[in-house]
Order: sequence, then C-alpha cells, then structure tokens
Amino acid sequence: DTGVSQDPRHKITKRGQNVTFRCDPISEHNRLYWYRQTLGQGPEFLTYFQNEAQLEKSRLLSDRFSAERPKGSFSTLEIQRTEQGDSAMYLCASSLGAQRQGRTEAFFGQGTRLTVV
Amino acid sequence: AQKVTQAQTEISVVEKEDVTLDCVYETRDTTYYLFWYKQPPSGELVFLIRRNSFDEQNEISGRYSWNFQKSTSSFNFTITASQVVDSAVYFCALSGNSGGYQKVTFGTGTKLQVIP
Repeated sequence: DTGVSQDPRHKITKRGQNVTFRCDPISEHNRLYWYRQTLGQGPEFLTYFQNEAQLEKSRLLSDRFSAERPKGSFSTLEIQRTEQGDSAMYLCASSLGAQRQGRTEAFFGQGTRLTVV
Repeated sequence: AQKVTQAQTEISVVEKEDVTLDCVYETRDTTYYLFWYKQPPSGELVFLIRRNSFDEQNEISGRYSWNFQKSTSSFNFTITASQVVDSAVYFCALSGNSGGYQKVTFGTGTKLQVIP
C-alpha cells in the first residue's frame, strides 16, 4: 500500500492525558498536512510542512498541540492535556510540491479518531 | 477569506437515478483550485477532481461530471445512474494563491445515500 497511512486509527484517552499520532505520507511527497474534522463538518486545516519545515499553523492549533516532521518523512501530532473538545478525526494528507502548480491535490489517510472521555 | 458552501446536507436517491451535488464558493484570490473529495464510511478522503480557476470546461469521467461556472461561483457535481457504492459524504473544497495553494478550505459536506 503506497498511500498515506496513519496510526493509530482509533484512540480513546482520559481528559488530561497526552496523545501522539503518527502519519506516514506517500514517499515522494514533500508536503504534509494535518487537518481536524469534527462530526458533521468538513476538515479544517491545522498545519503543514514542506520537507521538515513547518510553514504554517492555523489558529486552531493551540499551545497544547505540536507537530513535527523531523526528517522530512513521517510526522507526529501531539496533543498535551487533552480536553473533551479535542475529540475529532485527525486527518493527515500529503502532496507533491506545487512549484509549477500542477500537482496540488492532497491525498489523505484514513485518519485517527480521537475520543477524549 | 475563503468559504465553501454546500447547502445540501443530505440527499437520498434511488439507485440508477441521477443526482447533482451543489457547491458555491467565495474567494478573493485571482487564481484558485476547486476540488471534490469523497469520504466513505471508512473515513479516508478520496480525491475525485481538481479544477483550475482558469479552466471552465466541464468534465466528464465515467458516471461523474462536473459543471464549473465562474460567473455564479459554482462547481457542481453530478453522478449519473447512481449506485449503492456512491453512498458517502462528498466534500467540495477550495485553495487559492493567497495561501500558496496549501490551505484547503472544505465545505461541510453532502451526505449521499443511494437506496437499492
């Protein structure tokens, strides 16, 4: 399978605990994105990386959230001191660089569904 | 600011009927891309189509067709002869040059149920 993979697929955690999600993008893709999707809504942009550099962060990404992509390959998203409002599907996507604005569509993983109890 | 509106929250059709999913967008960007994604119950967003704002040609791919009208800021999606496997949530999305095409704004989705 050469698509975007995310781990775990489901996570249940108690409020106040820290959680970390992993995303492995399509191997030749240099851009990696994190989105959050709550029930009945479309995905909302959180942040994106070009290679290992984090180039943009949404206002949705509070101080409790941190994302890394240390070697420009896989990425992790950590949420500290989880709150019930963090319950959502966290989607990762990757794409080729858009230098010529030709291949700009992002390919998504199946997401990690977080439930904070 | 960018906005994508999918006014239809849920649609139910009987198998083999045609169905059109509406999408209206707002952007101040001069150049932008429009997308449709399908999200089956498994959760993965499946890319269907990308359309550049300069290309208003309609497109047909099998049972799928897309009608892009810049004058009305609409990018509607039609499924012909719907099948049960088409049941999913469909998202229309937009990315523009002001965000370097990196930030994609999604609509709230239209849930399509195809009844056998």
